[in-house]
Amino acid sequence: AQSVAQPEDQVNVAEGNPLTVKCTYSVSGNPYLFWYVQYPNRGLQFLLKYITGDNLVKGSYGFEAEFNKSQTSFHLKKPSALVSDSALYFCAVRDAKLTFGTGTRLTIIP
Amino acid sequence: EPEVTQTPSHQVTQMGQEVILRCVPISNHLYFYWYRQILGQKVEFLVSFYNNEISEKSEIFDDQFSVERPDGSNFTLKIRSTKLEDSAMYFCASSDFKPHITNSPLHFGNGTRLTVT
Repeated sequence: AQSVAQPEDQVNVAEGNPLTVKCTYSVSGNPYLFWYVQYPNRGLQFLLKYITGDNLVKGSYGFEAEFNKSQTSFHLKKPSALVSDSALYFCAVRDAKLTFGTGTRLTIIP
Repeated sequence: EPEVTQTPSHQVTQMGQEVILRCVPISNHLYFYWYRQILGQKVEFLVSFYNNEISEKSEIFDDQFSVERPDGSNFTLKIRSTKLEDSAMYFCASSDFKPHITNSPLHFGNGTRLTVT
């Protein structure tokens, strides 16, 4: 079965600093990887996806993610964090359905 | 931008009662999903639906759950006899995903918060 793991429940970053939210995957075959963000009392919003091609994927709101096959990782990154980036972030892998990680709560400290 | 809409936003029901959660997927999408999230924790897959039948379901989706697409626009999740542990946020999602192309993201609604008392 395909799965993703998010090793950190909580990540705190000072505003203006770079941020990383970690994700590792376990799949058979080619991975189809996604990041979603959830703001309070809202649904999940698509941020970005990796299918094939460039290992650095750019997405919404200035986020990007780096696919690393040797480390089976797909970490979410942003060069300069904003307070408004504070939210719950989910990594996901897709075959016929989307399977989510456990989520990482990102808090940006002013 | 087209979006998935869910009603109601919050549903309170008594244990043992039946509830129906409603969703209007994006109009040209063909694949529909229900997920649930308990207390802001992990998002769990319940069921996927295509061509008027269930494509896949999880172990959570037992006999008390059912899904239906009663007309060309709505997609519903019915819980026949609710239990306390059914209290969760239920998300509907849709996709234009085709079976051999798995790069389409799912588009989620804002969810229905179900509280069973």
